[in-house]
Amino acid sequence: EIVMTQSPATLSVSPGERVTLSCRASQSVSTNLAWYQHKPGQAPRLLIYGASTTATDIPARFSGSGSGTEFTLTISSLQSDDFAVYYCQHYNNWRAFGQGTKVEIK
Amino acid sequence: EVLLAESGGGLVQPGGSLRLSCAASGFTVNNNYMSWVRQAPGKGLEWVSVIYSDGDTYYADSVKGRFTISRDSSRNTLYLQMNTLRAEDTAIYYCAREPRRLGVYGVMAYWGQGTLVTVSS
Repeated sequence: EIVMTQSPATLSVSPGERVTLSCRASQSVSTNLAWYQHKPGQAPRLLIYGASTTATDIPARFSGSGSGTEFTLTISSLQSDDFAVYYCQHYNNWRAFGQGTKVEIK
Repeated sequence: EVLLAESGGGLVQPGGSLRLSCAASGFTVNNNYMSWVRQAPGKGLEWVSVIYSDGDTYYADSVKGRFTISRDSSRNTLYLQMNTLRAEDTAIYYCAREPRRLGVYGVMAYWGQGTLVTVSS
């Protein structure tokens, strides 16, 4: 079973700042890694798949990188609409989510 | 337009059963990989089960032997039969469609709004 670990658990950020979220897999998942944004009362929203491919209609300020066991989600300039919980998920023969990183207003 | 609508949630006693439905439109459930994902109160997302287009099914260890995923082509609907429910199964349950992306499945590109299951006496 592959375990996904995200850090930090919470990030306090001001609008306009650059944000970097980390996700680590307990063993290699190649680039079978997705990122989701989740707000209370809403369905999760796919941001990134294939570790670095931006999903349809996702703003260009969101980008992903990494392969193997280390992955990063970057938000180049945080907007007010971006305060949410972010999850990574591997789909390398199975599926599992990280525990999430909450991005909150500083 | 792809739409997913879950229903069937509610309050059930420990040990009881519940069947969740996920009505789909804009695509054919039988031709797709479909997953159930849940979020317990104050917790993160947890993958629960998947059904492949060929009918193969897989489950998280936490629900194996108690939950069953299935689909009905005539209704274009996905189901999750939940038996022997426990307090720790209390969660919002989402269904998700997994279109093939970059040649592989597992990316949950479309989600429903979720249905709340509460297991309590």
